[in-house]
Amino acid sequence: DVKVTQSSRYLVKRTGEKVFLECVQDMDHENMFWYRQDPGLGLRLIYFSYDVKMKEKGDIPEGYSVSREKKERFSLILESASTNQTSMYLCASRSGLLVSYNEQFFGPGTRLTVL
Amino acid sequence: AQSVTQLGSHVSVSEGALVLLRCNYSSSVPPYLFWYVQYPNQGLQLLLKYTSAATLVKGINGFEAEFKKSETSFHLTKPSAHMSDAAEYFCAVTQARQLTFGSGTQLTVLP
Repeated sequence: DVKVTQSSRYLVKRTGEKVFLECVQDMDHENMFWYRQDPGLGLRLIYFSYDVKMKEKGDIPEGYSVSREKKERFSLILESASTNQTSMYLCASRSGLLVSYNEQFFGPGTRLTVL
Repeated sequence: AQSVTQLGSHVSVSEGALVLLRCNYSSSVPPYLFWYVQYPNQGLQLLLKYTSAATLVKGINGFEAEFKKSETSFHLTKPSAHMSDAAEYFCAVTQARQLTFGSGTQLTVLP
């Protein structure tokens, strides 16, 4: 079974803090994604990576950065957390570089609260 | 640009009744379409996907969806709702490397 794990289920941070959200997948997938989920807005793509050290901006990259130093790990970084970044963050992975109809596998999510 | 519209942010059905969750898409080329389900406090799980092989797609837990190009729709159905179907459902479309999700439909199943 594919497993995508996220470092924390719940996280509380203060405005201005640097926040790291970690995601690890165990199926050697090429592609990894970070989404944020907000009520009434569905999932919105922040960043994705299709290879080690490669990244592309999604729909809402402002205020975020990412790092992918190893194939299995994809980190989301909030350089200076703000209250409007309070949200549920979901990580996903998918096999196949150009095969976009493959299933994305999701982690359980990290609920981040910024005070 | 591709987009997905889910009509109805909340749908309630009685146990045993038909479930119908609506999804319309916008795409300039033939799309790949997905339905995902999210149970409380969990990540998303794939229910089914359309990849142009067949217009009627069967998924897990008794769900199915029909791709209708003329209506640009991909509605999700289940003949008989079960209490365990209570969850949030997301329709998604992809053309390139990323998925675009709808805003979601919360399904409530009444006893």
